[in-house]
Amino acid sequence: EAGVTQFPSHSVIEKGQTVTLRCDPISGHDNLYWYRRVMGKEIKFLLHFVKESKQDESGMPNNRFLAERTGGTYSTLKVQPAELEDSGVYFCASSIAGMNTEAFFGQGTRLTVV
Amino acid sequence: KNEVEQSPQNLTAQEGEFITINCSYSVGISALHWLQQHPGGGIVSLFMLSSGKKKHGRLIATINIQEKHSSLHITASHPRDSAVYICAVRGSNYKLTFGKGTLLTVNP
Repeated sequence: EAGVTQFPSHSVIEKGQTVTLRCDPISGHDNLYWYRRVMGKEIKFLLHFVKESKQDESGMPNNRFLAERTGGTYSTLKVQPAELEDSGVYFCASSIAGMNTEAFFGQGTRLTVV
Repeated sequence: KNEVEQSPQNLTAQEGEFITINCSYSVGISALHWLQQHPGGGIVSLFMLSSGKKKHGRLIATINIQEKHSSLHITASHPRDSAVYICAVRGSNYKLTFGKGTLLTVNP
């Protein structure tokens, strides 16, 4: 069974450009999470989907970030326009329905804004 | 102060040594996760626990809810255990709060 897959693995963009990150969760996983690690800091929560609904987006830094999960399958996280401080590693995780279920993480997307 | 504190931040050991990584948290939790990330790799879930102790191979995780403390032990450490070990807690909602991680290097 395929694990959580993220695309691209690396992205280097200029300040002001737009970047879209994609996450394909494990099939059948209702919960999908986005997290981010900025260099030197701990991983921080961005948002949580249950199926196609945003359950909690309290961690989204600002309105330059837009996450979608159309149809409750894969999710995208768009950053527009990107700023230097958006650089970091963006992780996606998924889990089956329920709160205390094991989360499976993707490999992450390393975003560098120059 | 972060809600989840790990110690040590960096740990160097010789192959075969017994390793302990500690995690303290300041909030009420429903579960605690230990995660592993190899250099350049993704994050792998090692344990999820809410009480007591779990063992998987050479890895043992314990948690003391009253003291808000968890430990990850590695017995007979091996160079392939070299990785960042991350403690994360889940409170009353779905999101995880992470520690900064412990970088473990096991030398042959």
